[in-house]
Amino acid sequence: GQNIDQPTEMTATEGAIVQINCTYQTSGFNGLFWYQQHAGEAPTFLSYNVLDGLEEKGRFSSFLSRSKGYSYLLLKELQMKDSASYLCAVRDRRGRDSSYKLIFGSGTRLLVRP
Amino acid sequence: EAQVTQNPRYLITVTGKKLTVTCSQNMNHEYMSWYRQDPGLGLRQIYYSMNVEVTDKGDVPEGYKVSRKEKRNFPLILESPSPNQTSLYFCASSLSTVMGKAFFGQGTRLTVV
Repeated sequence: GQNIDQPTEMTATEGAIVQINCTYQTSGFNGLFWYQQHAGEAPTFLSYNVLDGLEEKGRFSSFLSRSKGYSYLLLKELQMKDSASYLCAVRDRRGRDSSYKLIFGSGTRLLVRP
Repeated sequence: EAQVTQNPRYLITVTGKKLTVTCSQNMNHEYMSWYRQDPGLGLRQIYYSMNVEVTDKGDVPEGYKVSRKEKRNFPLILESPSPNQTSLYFCASSLSTVMGKAFFGQGTRLTVV
């Protein structure tokens, strides 16, 4: 079946580094996305990995290991505004028409404390 | 400005009263979809559309309808809303059917009493 797991909540201190893990099991993996969602707002795109390795974008980096079904999002130099939910989403190929879909994890709520 | 626009942002309605949530994108995207977001369940896809007049069911389509008569618009219709459809709804669009980076609307918080 399809399954995406990520921790429900994490707490970190302003200025620190935090790593949010995501493990997945899907039948037609074709890429992994990370989105940020502030409470009551729309998700916004953070990063995309389709090949193994690390993608760096400013304070945010994302890592993918396809053989392990594992990804993480690394946030450096944490700021108060980084308090939000972080959604891991896998692009999966549908069986019936070969189209794609995004399967979302439940999200990790990150609280950044002063 | 590139955006996905949903209306209304908030809606309280009664059981059985038909309603439509509109979604419009100005990026000429082919792929559009609707999600609902419930606590502990994440975003779940309701319906999607790969192009004009091409729509299909997602994971939780029961009780919903959609249409795609124009490329920019993808309304979500609840013919007879029920309390279990109380949720936060998001419309999203992507450039192509390969479902790259998705752009989300602001969300519609629907309460059915």
